[in-house]
Amino acid sequence: GAVVSQHPSWVICKSGTSVKIECRSLDFQATTMFWYRQFPKQSLMLMATSNEGSKATYEQGVEKDKFLINHASLTLSTLTVTSAHPEDSSFYICSARRRPSTDTQYFGPGTRLTVL
Amino acid sequence: QKEVEQNSGPLSVPEGAIASLNCTYSDRGSQSFFWYRQYSGKSPELIMFIYSNGDKEDGRFTAQLNKASQYVSLLIRDSQPSDSATYLCAVASYGNKLVFGAGTILRVKS
Repeated sequence: GAVVSQHPSWVICKSGTSVKIECRSLDFQATTMFWYRQFPKQSLMLMATSNEGSKATYEQGVEKDKFLINHASLTLSTLTVTSAHPEDSSFYICSARRRPSTDTQYFGPGTRLTVL
Repeated sequence: QKEVEQNSGPLSVPEGAIASLNCTYSDRGSQSFFWYRQYSGKSPELIMFIYSNGDKEDGRFTAQLNKASQYVSLLIRDSQPSDSATYLCAVASYGNKLVFGAGTILRVKS
């Protein structure tokens, strides 16, 4: 199998607080993990690519100081939304790519963030 | 700019019919092609991937790839109401990130 988990599945926080989302590959080692954001009725938007042991690569327009990504091991990547604001409310989804490297990405179940 | 184009739909088919979903891509260097299914409020789920020209079958699903025409399609046989979802086409050059289409909404009516 290729199971990817995310935690938490949903979170509600106050404006100005930081939120950490974990993404884990449960039954395989992931060379690369990806973080996406999806607004209602819109397509997936890639935020950043995370490689184990190195700095994440952010897509154009994504603030790296606001969306902190850490890929500490071959099975864990974290996304921290710092000083969250209501406009950061969205569905955040991670995906993982197997090692050895292939193009196939397996998605986690997503985290729904609501910032009040 | 690498692009993946899909008809947004909705594509409506009666239960038991064949649903045909289409996708075109702009990058001739693309090597890997994927179809994901996404139910409302859920994350994408991998249905199939295809690397070579021709057809690839898996149960009720058949992926078709034509690299010369830069075209990939997904056929769903014996469509069921539970197949109603958004279908995302994704394309990658080896080792690169996936480029997703905007998705086609499929509605299977019983």
